Amino acid sequence: KAGVTQTPRYLIKTRGQQVTLSCSPISGHRSVSWYQQTPGQGLQFLFEYFSETQRNKGNFPGRFSGRQFSNSRSEMNVSTLELGDSALYLCASSFAPQGEQETQYFGPGTRLLVL
Amino acid sequence: LAKTTQPISMDSYEGQEVNITCSHNNIATNDYITWYQQFPSQGPRFIIQGYKTKVTNEVASLFIPADRKSSTLSLPRVSLSDTAVYYCLVGSVSNTGNQFYFGTGTSLTVIP
Repeated sequence: KAGVTQTPRYLIKTRGQQVTLSCSPISGHRSVSWYQQTPGQGLQFLFEYFSETQRNKGNFPGRFSGRQFSNSRSEMNVSTLELGDSALYLCASSFAPQGEQETQYFGPGTRLLVL
Repeated sequence: LAKTTQPISMDSYEGQEVNITCSHNNIATNDYITWYQQFPSQGPRFIIQGYKTKVTNEVASLFIPADRKSSTLSLPRVSLSDTAVYYCLVGSVSNTGNQFYFGTGTSLTVIP
């Protein structure tokens, strides 16, 4: 099975712009979660999508949003970029059985640099 | 959501067994423990997962005592390529979506 893929792998934007990142989960996985990783804050949970619905959300401003399509692929969008949004954005997918343990599998990440 | 505490860094010589302990004092009954390995600028890689007692796979063992307030990842005979950051996670089972908390991780350096 192919792993989680993320595009693009690297991105440079300027303050005020917006960006859209894409994630394709492992085939058969229904849940997609997004994380932001920075040297100062570590790995922080952004949100999780399941069946095209946001099921969980971390503590990030409304500039960060996402969506999931019927084929489980997901996108996240950051509007009005700030310098502090420079980070590695990671996507993780899981089968997400209801009420059971699950294992998240991560993609390689998208490195975003905001100038 | 149970928070985790791990040592910030560890050093080990090649060929030795490495044990990394994670504390999760507030772990709930349905919570489970997962460990990931991460190399710089890459996504975390799943290592092992468990609920209680001992779990072993081809790369590591996970020891969880009866009170489950801590867990220990054991890496047998480490090599230079095991130099990475290791994260302990507690996952909370929920019918509305499991939740995860990443701690600060342990930076393991394997010395020749």
